[in-house]
Amino acid sequence: DIQMTQSPSSLSASVGDRVTITCQASRDIRKYLNWYQQKPGKAPKLLIHDVSNLETGVPSRFSGSGSGTHFTFTITTLHPEDIATYYCQHYDSLPLTFGGGTKVEIK
Amino acid sequence: EVNLVESGGSIVRPGGSLRLSCAASGFMFGDHAMSWVRRAPGKGLEWVSGVNWSGGGSGYADSVKGRFTISRDNAKNSLYLQMNSLRVEDTAFYYCARHVDCSGGGCYSIYGHVDLWGQGTLVTVSP
Repeated sequence: DIQMTQSPSSLSASVGDRVTITCQASRDIRKYLNWYQQKPGKAPKLLIHDVSNLETGVPSRFSGSGSGTHFTFTITTLHPEDIATYYCQHYDSLPLTFGGGTKVEIK
Repeated sequence: EVNLVESGGSIVRPGGSLRLSCAASGFMFGDHAMSWVRRAPGKGLEWVSGVNWSGGGSGYADSVKGRFTISRDNAKNSLYLQMNSLRVEDTAFYYCARHVDCSGGGCYSIYGHVDLWGQGTLVTVSP
């Protein structure tokens, strides 16, 4: 099974800050990497698919990059409504696996 | 309205069984692979199981293999998860998840990104 290692597990940043989350796959997953946001008490929401493709309706302050085994998710300017837990997830093969999540809080 | 609604969550004893259902509406259910994803209290998301368009192919996480069975009824626009031999560690919110439409071909995997989620149903396994 492919393991997804996400870091950091939590972070605290100020409104307006740039936030970066990394995701490392245990083997090459090419471009088959998605990012989701989950707010407390809510279902997850797709933000980015296939490394860097922004889902329709998602603000452009969210972006993704990377390939192979190393991937990055960025919020260029943190907004108060971005408080959530973010997950990477691969779909190179079954079983699908998620990273452990990054909880983003406002400082 | 495009929607997924889960039901069947409950409190059950270890070793017990439960069947979850997911009712789909507002889209061509048979055009999408479907999955169940769970989130245990204080933990992250975990993919549990997925099934292809026809129901003839499926996959499972190692943690549930041999205990859980996924199925679908395209005539009823419904997805199911039969959970047997439940353990305390199966306690979680269970989400029904729709994978992106690959019925037209051109996708690397039918299990591409999840573009629609249900609101979840809570399963509690407790002595």
